[in-house]
Amino acid sequence: GENVEQHPSTLSVQEGDSAVIKCTYSDSASNYFPWYKQELGKRPQLIIDIRSNVGEKKDQRIAVTLNKTAKHFSLHITETQPEDSAVYFCAANGAGGTSYGKLTFGQGTILTVHP
Amino acid sequence: GAGVSQTPSNKVTEKGKYVELRCDPISGHTALYWYRQSLGQGPEFLIYFQGTGAADDSGLPNDRFFAVRPEGSVSTLKIQRTERGDSAVYLCASSLIGQGIDTQYFGPGTRLTVL
Repeated sequence: GENVEQHPSTLSVQEGDSAVIKCTYSDSASNYFPWYKQELGKRPQLIIDIRSNVGEKKDQRIAVTLNKTAKHFSLHITETQPEDSAVYFCAANGAGGTSYGKLTFGQGTILTVHP
Repeated sequence: GAGVSQTPSNKVTEKGKYVELRCDPISGHTALYWYRQSLGQGPEFLIYFQGTGAADDSGLPNDRFFAVRPEGSVSTLKIQRTERGDSAVYLCASSLIGQGIDTQYFGPGTRLTVL
């Protein structure tokens, strides 16, 4: 099955700096890669996603890049703000057939933005 | 409109007891997913419904776990003979189409504690 590795596990930045979180996946058939933000005690919320027919997608301060050949994708947050502090999870969908609906998540990155 | 809702928000039970966790998806969403999240970890896939049928139940850890979605809307996750290791937050998500091509929206979760 799919395996997703996420790094770093913790990331501490100063307000205004950029933050980058990287993920690798194992199954070349995966074609959907969402990123979720989860605040303490809250539900995961989608912040951006990318499909395998594009290499990069941007939404204001957030961007995601995908390298299908290398099987890795990254989240970039620019001009970080204290409210960006949360746990971020990457995910990849399943390997085909009915398993396309299944998301495999990374272990999470605790992002702390210091004012 | 209303998001995904889950009840109860918290459930404390004793080892060996039976529990039911309920998920109300976003109206009109055909796909419904159950995940389990342990402290400090990413969500772990359990089962995925497309309409009334379980399209992928490969994540259910053993035969003590069972889920139903009899009318293609509300779903119930059932756990028999609970064990302390079942303690976790159980997350439900829904999506409009499924099949790994659209956004999964998460509910707030049910925190299950097995004493």
